[in-house]
Amino acid sequence: EAGVTQFPSHSVIEKGQTVTLRCDPISGHDNLYWYRRVMGKEIKFLLHFVKESKQDESGMPNNRFLAERTGGTYSTLKVQPAELEDSGVYFCASSQPQANRAQETQYFGPGTRLLVL
Amino acid sequence: AQSVSQHNHHVILSEAASLELGCNYSYGGTVNLFWYVQYPGQHLQLLLKYFSGDPLVKGIKGFEAEFIKSKFSFNLRKPSVQWSDTAEYFCAVIGLEYGNKLVFGAGTILRVKS
Repeated sequence: EAGVTQFPSHSVIEKGQTVTLRCDPISGHDNLYWYRRVMGKEIKFLLHFVKESKQDESGMPNNRFLAERTGGTYSTLKVQPAELEDSGVYFCASSQPQANRAQETQYFGPGTRLLVL
Repeated sequence: AQSVSQHNHHVILSEAASLELGCNYSYGGTVNLFWYVQYPGQHLQLLLKYFSGDPLVKGIKGFEAEFIKSKFSFNLRKPSVQWSDTAEYFCAVIGLEYGNKLVFGAGTILRVKS
């Protein structure tokens, strides 16, 4: 079974440019999460999709970030325009809903390293 | 707000030494607890998890963790580390009343000298 995949693995852009990150969850996983780790700090939650719906976007830093999951399969996270402080590693995770929510486990992708110059 | 504190940012051990990484969380409700590991060049992997039941949880590669509710702790242990355990270790918690989001600690970088 393929794991969570993310593309690209690395991206270097200039301040003001646009970048789009992609995440393909494990097949059949309705839950999809985005997290971010800014250098030297904790991994922080950005948002949670259930199928194509945003369940929780309380961690999105500002309106320069737009996440979509059309069709409930893969997801994209667009940063427009990018700022220096957006640099970090963006992780995607997915999980399969369980009857008992406490039983869910999130599986992570390799992350996308974003550097904004 | 929930938070997770990992006591050590860097740990250096010799092979065969015992390991204990501390993790404390601040949240009074029902929690699920996790340890994730990121080996060099690899993605985050689940090491072990606690949902309910026996507070001593055994994970992969000989790791275990003990949930002590009264201390809000979930420390990770391994009796004898190997060079291949060199990695960054993350403690994480889900407070079930707060949805499904994982709240992570800052991570502990473990280096095992051969």
